[in-house]
Amino acid sequence: DQQVKQNSPSLSVQEGRISILNCDYTNSMFDYFLWYKKYPAEGPTFLISISSIKDKNEDGRFTVFLNKSAKHLSLHIVPSQPGDSAVYFCAASASRYSGGGADGLTFGKGTHLIIQP
Amino acid sequence: EPEVTQTPSHQVTQMGQEVILRCVPISNHLYFYWYRQILGQKVEFLVSFYNNEISEKSEIFDDQFSVERPDGSNFTLKIRSTKLEDSAMYFCASKGDTQTYEQYFGPGTRLTVT
Repeated sequence: DQQVKQNSPSLSVQEGRISILNCDYTNSMFDYFLWYKKYPAEGPTFLISISSIKDKNEDGRFTVFLNKSAKHLSLHIVPSQPGDSAVYFCAASASRYSGGGADGLTFGKGTHLIIQP
Repeated sequence: EPEVTQTPSHQVTQMGQEVILRCVPISNHLYFYWYRQILGQKVEFLVSFYNNEISEKSEIFDDQFSVERPDGSNFTLKIRSTKLEDSAMYFCASKGDTQTYEQYFGPGTRLTVT
């Protein structure tokens, strides 16, 4: 039961260009979405997030777009840098429904982003 | 910058043995979590902990698992009788309060059950 789907296991982008990572979800109760970056042998590192009441959130080179009607979000990285090479996880939360915000995150399988020089 | 720490980084144990994985969450955080990632699979939620009790748990978190915050700083995950399929990376995470959603993860403990 994949409630959060990242359909591209890997993505290769040239340095300096835009990287676009996609994520789809099926659970309408999700109200908050997060992107994490993960290097090998490290834990996921929080990158950027978006509430379901917004459709865009920007932080430096990173922008997340949310299309609620399509149940789709995307992470844009501009310009892509070699240090961006990592696995990117999309995660979702239904905290509004969990009475206190203690619910666990539901993760996608991740997309391995490779930035080529 | 405050961070979540976990010990040990790697634990090898025999099937049927008990293991305790330890975490020190970020000091002023109120919510604590355990996740696991089996090799090649996605990160899966196990349990959340708030106000000294379990808030939510997944189907994975059965009677073999327990969590505890024994001393106000450590947060532990105990597996009573390990199975081969418990081999995974176990991540601890913490979150500040009900007004925030971002969870901050530790580096993980690799558990190998032989």
